[in-house]
Amino acid sequence: SAVISQKPSRDICQRGTSLTIQCQVDSQVTMMFWYRQQPGQSLTLIATANQGSEATYESGFVIDKFPISRPNLTFSTLTVSNMSPEDSSIYLCSVAQGVRTEAFFGQGTRLTVV
Amino acid sequence: RKEVEQDPGPFNVPEGATVAFNCTYSNSASQSFFWYRQDCRKEPKLLMSVYSSGNEDGRFTAQLNRASQYISLLIRDSKLSDSATYLCAASTSGTYKYIFGTGTRLKVLA
Repeated sequence: SAVISQKPSRDICQRGTSLTIQCQVDSQVTMMFWYRQQPGQSLTLIATANQGSEATYESGFVIDKFPISRPNLTFSTLTVSNMSPEDSSIYLCSVAQGVRTEAFFGQGTRLTVV
Repeated sequence: RKEVEQDPGPFNVPEGATVAFNCTYSNSASQSFFWYRQDCRKEPKLLMSVYSSGNEDGRFTAQLNRASQYISLLIRDSKLSDSATYLCAASTSGTYKYIFGTGTRLKVLA
């Protein structure tokens, strides 16, 4: 499986600020996704990061709040903008080679907004 | 109705017991299914894929029932180290998304 490096691993941020999370994969992957996992909850898909074009967002998530970049097949960023305490969560990068293949996860970014 | 549903548990079982989890999915177009294990404060790790014919990996057996739209995970001879949350996931051709259930907590007791 691909090696996925996600950083930062954790951060504590002031409300109103923005944080950019990076996801680097050691090989080219077809699919990259960003998930959120709130305390005690399961994974919620935020968006699919599309290489060279705008990300595809799930219901309840918008580009202004969660801008995503994917300049190539090995790297993506997720920005959490204008943060509020409700954004405190774990954010996870996930990759897959295709819809019938397994998805793998980065170590996650534990975000606390104060 | 959630697209993928699981009993959150917790399932508390003694060491050596056999335990089974089910996961139901609502989208009949779902094509690929997976079980993940998530330890506390860690990322999900793939446990196994679920094939139409079922598959087995050591003490773990996964089954798919398309008619009733559920997948199952059977753990035999439970170990203390099996204590974790088990997440099921479904992926649908065309949408290229992986949708996860809420997870089932398992605690194996000494």
